[in-house]
Amino acid sequence: NAGVTQTPKFQVLKTGQSMTLQCAQDMNHEYMSWYRQDPGMGLRLIHYSVGAGITDQGEVPNGYNVSRSTTEDFPLRLLSAAPSQTSVYFCASSMGMEANQPQHFGDGTRLSIL
Amino acid sequence: GQQVMQIPQYQHVQEGEDFTTYCNSSTTLSNIQWYKQRPGGHPVFLIQLVKSGEVKKQKRLTFQFGEAKKNSSLHITATQTTDVGTYFCAANAGGTSYGKLTFGQGTILTVHP
Repeated sequence: NAGVTQTPKFQVLKTGQSMTLQCAQDMNHEYMSWYRQDPGMGLRLIHYSVGAGITDQGEVPNGYNVSRSTTEDFPLRLLSAAPSQTSVYFCASSMGMEANQPQHFGDGTRLSIL
Repeated sequence: GQQVMQIPQYQHVQEGEDFTTYCNSSTTLSNIQWYKQRPGGHPVFLIQLVKSGEVKKQKRLTFQFGEAKKNSSLHITATQTTDVGTYFCAANAGGTSYGKLTFGQGTILTVHP
């Protein structure tokens, strides 16, 4: 099994550009989430989804959009990239519809905004 | 929103010394999870604690959940160089926050051989 697959692994953008970070899981997990990781701040929840068609905001949702049209995929969209969005982005998935199961993380996307 | 404070931020030890990291919450938690992230890697699930006062062991690692379910600790006995990485706690308050997992800031562990 591939687990949680994130693409791309690295990306450099210019301020104002938009892009989509892809996340796919093959474990039939209901719960999926996006985090950003910045030095000294741990992982901060951006958006999460408890199933297809259902999404909700996390701790730092501004500047990001998500959708969940299928169980497998949970893309994260940056609408107009800003330097403050330079970070490492992790997608995670787990069984069930609550955040009380072990989270399976992808390898991350390292994003730089110039 | 819910906050989980984790200390210390950094810990440098000599190989063979013990290590402990602590997580504290101002609110009662439904459960707490622990993760390890190797340098350049992604977080990997270690364990989940659910019951008040729960203690679980994994070889040299001991995990505790406080009686009031507001704090937790991870203790590593006789550290090895393979223990290097960042250790995170992650908490779920349950209730209306059932979908949100809040991570602590992490403790970066360095082990000197």
